[in-house]
Amino acid sequence: GQSLEQPSEVTAVEGAIVQINCTYQTSGFYGLSWYQQHDGGAPTFLSYNALDGLEETGRFSSFLSRSDSYGYLLLQELQMKDSASYFCAVGMTTDSWGKLQFGAGTQVVVTP
Amino acid sequence: DGGITQSPKYLFRKEGQNVTLSCEQNLNHDAMYWYRQDPGQGLRLIYYSQIVNDFQKGDIAEGYSVSREKKESFPLTVTSAQKNPTAFYLCASSNGDTQYFGPGTRLTVL
Repeated sequence: GQSLEQPSEVTAVEGAIVQINCTYQTSGFYGLSWYQQHDGGAPTFLSYNALDGLEETGRFSSFLSRSDSYGYLLLQELQMKDSASYFCAVGMTTDSWGKLQFGAGTQVVVTP
Repeated sequence: DGGITQSPKYLFRKEGQNVTLSCEQNLNHDAMYWYRQDPGQGLRLIYYSQIVNDFQKGDIAEGYSVSREKKESFPLTVTSAQKNPTAFYLCASSNGDTQYFGPGTRLTVL
C-alpha cells in the first residue's frame, strides 16, 4: 500500500524559516506535489518535484530525494498569511495518470 | 475566467435523503476527482474520472455515486447508504501533474 507521513503542526514567528518534511512509501512513484489550504478554503497548488533536487518558487522551495523517499517544503520569510495547512501528495506510476495520494497535512501557525 | 465551480457552498440534509453535489469546470481538463475532508484531516479520494463516460472508485466510494456524461461536469451523489456523510467535499480537475480545486461544499446531515 501507500503511506505518507508529515508532521501534524509547526509553529514559528513571522520572518522565520519553516521546513515541512514528507516521507512516503509507495509501490511506484512519479512525483511529489505540495498544496496549501487556508481554513475553510480549497487547496491550491504550490510546487511539484519529479526529479531529485530543489525547486524554488519565490519564498517557497520544495526538495525531493527519490532514493530516500523523502521531500520537504521550505517556507522562508514567514508571513501571517502563510498560516495554513500544507499537504504533500504523491503520484504513482502504478496508479491512474494524474491521481494523487495526499498526506494528512501539516498545520503551520505563524505568530507575531 | 477558467476555473472549477461547486454548488451549493453549504448543504443541509436529513438522514435517509440522497443529495447531489455539483461540480463544473471550464479548464478543458480530461480528469476530474471528488475528495472528502473531515476536520483536521487530509483529503480522501471518493471517485475519479479520466474520460467522459468512465469513472473509477477511490479509497472511500461506498455510499457515493457519480456520473460523467459531459467533460465539464462530474456530479457526486451522497446516498442514504453513506453512514457518516457530514464533511467538506472538494472537487478537482487535472491536466496531469497538477490538480485544481473548486471551493468545496460543506454538507451537514441533521
